[in-house]
Amino acid sequence: AQSVTQLDSQVPVFEEAPVELRCNYSSSVSVYLFWYVQYPNQGLQLLLKYLSGSTLVKGINGFEAEFNKSQTSFHLRKPSVHISDTAEYFCAVVKGGSYIPTFGRGTSLIVHP
Amino acid sequence: ETGVTQSPTHLIKTRGQQVTLRCSSQSGHNTVSWYQQALGQGPQFIFQYYREEENGRGNFPPRFSGLQFPNYSSELNVNALELDDSALYLCASSSQGEDTQYFGPGTRLTVL
Repeated sequence: AQSVTQLDSQVPVFEEAPVELRCNYSSSVSVYLFWYVQYPNQGLQLLLKYLSGSTLVKGINGFEAEFNKSQTSFHLRKPSVHISDTAEYFCAVVKGGSYIPTFGRGTSLIVHP
Repeated sequence: ETGVTQSPTHLIKTRGQQVTLRCSSQSGHNTVSWYQQALGQGPQFIFQYYREEENGRGNFPPRFSGLQFPNYSSELNVNALELDDSALYLCASSSQGEDTQYFGPGTRLTVL
């Protein structure tokens, strides 16, 4: 079975600073990796996904993530955050052929002015 | 293109009661999944339906049941509600064989 670890429960950062949200996974088989964002009182919105190919994946709202197979990581980055990026971010892994994601516990990104 | 919708948005029930939550899939999607998201946690997979049949189930007891209708809308039913059932319930739709699920806004269930 696969599992997902989001190492930081909360990440405070000032506006226009860079940010990295960490995600590590464990799986013995090939996986697909996802990042979702959840704004207060809303459902999940897909930010980006890695299926295969280039390990650097670009998503919406200026976010990107890099798949590192040797370190089993899929960290999310943004070079300059905005107040509006304040939200909960979830990393998810799907075992190849399963189509059912396993989610991490989430990281709360708090952007201060 | 209409996204995933869920109803109601909020619901309050008492312990022992039964509840039905509803979901309308995104146009063109034939698969629906339900998740439970407790406060401060990530979503936990409850089950998935494809072509009106259960197509996978997470670690939830039988009092959590579901239905999918010919128009691909879906219901989640929970019997004998417990306090720990208080959570945000998310519905997600997709096309079978596709890797990406699209989530609705959720139903916030409070059990008193």
